[in-house]
Amino acid sequence: DAGVIQSPRHEVTEMGQEVTLRCKPISGHNSLFWYRQTMMRGLELLIYFNNNVPIDDSGMPEDRFSAKMPNASFSTLKIQPSEPRDSAVYFCASSLAPGGGKNIQYFGAGTRLSVL
Amino acid sequence: EDQVTQSPEALRLQEGESSSLNCSYTVSGLRGLFWYRQDPGKGPEFLFTLYSAGEEKEKERLKATLTKKESFLHITAPKPEDSATYLCAVLVAGNQFYFGTGTSLTVIP
Repeated sequence: DAGVIQSPRHEVTEMGQEVTLRCKPISGHNSLFWYRQTMMRGLELLIYFNNNVPIDDSGMPEDRFSAKMPNASFSTLKIQPSEPRDSAVYFCASSLAPGGGKNIQYFGAGTRLSVL
Repeated sequence: EDQVTQSPEALRLQEGESSSLNCSYTVSGLRGLFWYRQDPGKGPEFLFTLYSAGEEKEKERLKATLTKKESFLHITAPKPEDSATYLCAVLVAGNQFYFGTGTSLTVIP
């Protein structure tokens, strides 16, 4: 398996523009997680899906952020409008459904977002 | 409030100098503790899962242990290729994951 695939790897945009980050989870995994990583705050869970349904979005910082999972093999994280403080590395991770303690998350390589 | 704290923030070791990284947690309903390794420019890579106090897991020069309040990642005779950031995470009731901010390890040849 190719692992979790994220695109783009790098994104540079101007303040106010819409940004869409994409993720393809590992085939057969039915939990998907979006994280944001910064030096100051480390890895923060933004939202996670189970069987394509958003379960907990309490980590989404504000209404400018939205995430969708239209099917088991694709998810997007959208920021509209983007702001300089959104600059961070965004990771997507996937795992098998929670059960039997098998909650190992496998991470993608991340998208480094710079908002100027 | 659930909390995960890692120490030290950074650690420099000479090659072959053994040491330990700490992950202390204050959570309700711990369901598992995870250790990950993160190299620069990459996503975290899974190392170990521990589920109950007293449990230990080993992989090459790494050994993870778990008590009711903390976990240690012991590194025996480290090599330069062990240089990375080591992250711990806890899984609590409700399938919530909380990551610590990590320990940046540098092993000097």
